Amino acid sequence: AQSVTQLGSHVSVSEGALVLLRCNYSSSVPPYLFWYVQYPNQGLQLLLKYTSAATLVKGINGFEAEFKKSETSFHLTKPSAHMSDAAEYFCAVKANYGQNFVFGPGTRLSVLP
Amino acid sequence: EAGVTQFPSHSVIEKGQTVTLRCDPISGHDNLYWYRRVMGKEIKFLLHFVKESKQDESGMPNNRFLAERTGGTYSTLKVQPAELEDSGVYFCASSFRDNGGGTEAFFGQGTRLTVV
Repeated sequence: AQSVTQLGSHVSVSEGALVLLRCNYSSSVPPYLFWYVQYPNQGLQLLLKYTSAATLVKGINGFEAEFKKSETSFHLTKPSAHMSDAAEYFCAVKANYGQNFVFGPGTRLSVLP
Repeated sequence: EAGVTQFPSHSVIEKGQTVTLRCDPISGHDNLYWYRRVMGKEIKFLLHFVKESKQDESGMPNNRFLAERTGGTYSTLKVQPAELEDSGVYFCASSFRDNGGGTEAFFGQGTRLTVV
């Protein structure tokens, strides 16, 4: 069975500061990993995904994530936070074809002026 | 290209009533998922269709929930009778058929269900 943990239900950063959102996963097979973002009153939007092609994955809006198998982690980073990054971020794991997505509890990011 | 569409966006019903949620996936997507998020908690899997067949319904809470996907196109999720604990946001997602598992899902905006 797969599971996802996200350290920190709420993270606050200053505008221009580094964003680091943590994600650790548990999977019995090599996983596929995803980061989704939910802006207020909207659905979930894909930021990026890891599918074993490269361990450092670049996504939209300047976000990137690095897959570290030894640490079972897939942390999300952005060098410089913008006010528009304020949203809730979800890490998800999928084991294989035909499996469903398993989501972490989410991290709400606040960006302070 | 139209995204995943969910109807209604909000629904407020009384305990004991019936509610039907609808999801129109992206055209050509074989996979259709239903998820639920209750009061800011985790997004929980409900079930997964591949075309019109139920691939996995292990997340359905109980037999008050019934999901269908007619002809492999749109899907409905009926709750009958609704209970207070059914309140939450119900998300639908769809994806292409994938052979390796790395295909992302596209989500609708969700239906916020409130049972009073």
